[in-house]
Amino acid sequence: QKEVEQNSGPLSVPEGAIASLNCTYSDRGSQSFFWYRQYSGKSPELIMSIYSNGDKEDGRFTAQLNKASQYVSLLIRDSQPSDSATYLCAVNSGGSARQLTFGSGTQLTVLP
Amino acid sequence: GAVVSQHPSWVICKSGTSVKIECRSLDFQATTMFWYRQFPKQSLMLMATSNEGSKATYEQGVEKDKFLINHASLTLSTLTVTSAHPEDSSFYICSARKAGQSNTEAFFGQGTRLTVV
Repeated sequence: QKEVEQNSGPLSVPEGAIASLNCTYSDRGSQSFFWYRQYSGKSPELIMSIYSNGDKEDGRFTAQLNKASQYVSLLIRDSQPSDSATYLCAVNSGGSARQLTFGSGTQLTVLP
Repeated sequence: GAVVSQHPSWVICKSGTSVKIECRSLDFQATTMFWYRQFPKQSLMLMATSNEGSKATYEQGVEKDKFLINHASLTLSTLTVTSAHPEDSSFYICSARKAGQSNTEAFFGQGTRLTVV
């Protein structure tokens, strides 16, 4: 079982719709969670970080964390074609591990 | 946010030669940096963890004698691909986290596209 799992997609949504991206993780001791966006040929850039259960909103983006169910999601409201990218979920496990564990990414396409 | 600068952004080299890639944290100290490789349409693959002042920790299957990592200061790590071959052609990305902050996000460099001909 992979430590961090994402639906690889591709996920297509029409412009203006809500895009929902999901991620599950296996380590119950995980403490911090991140969503990165990666455009083709570019390196990942951080969109959201979330550390406690519940929702965290930043503009059109909302991260949701449920530690009991071991999932974290990202909602993108009013999706734009410029949101088309691969979204990577990353998890920082507890203990001394310092590297982030990345999911395989979900490819999102927003259709104009 | 913090800035990580990676250089060069792209390089073409002949088979058998060596290529050095630099990763610098510009406005923070990073005791640990991470090197990833990404093939087209695939996810990030962690190659090694670079520790300032000590030997790097390599992931299983990554040849330490082929991918030499040096982390001589708190702001610079280098990856040298030795005796490069066409199959080493890939997108190499470094990332760093701020020293003393093990729970925070990682900042990525711009990546280096290596093409071995």
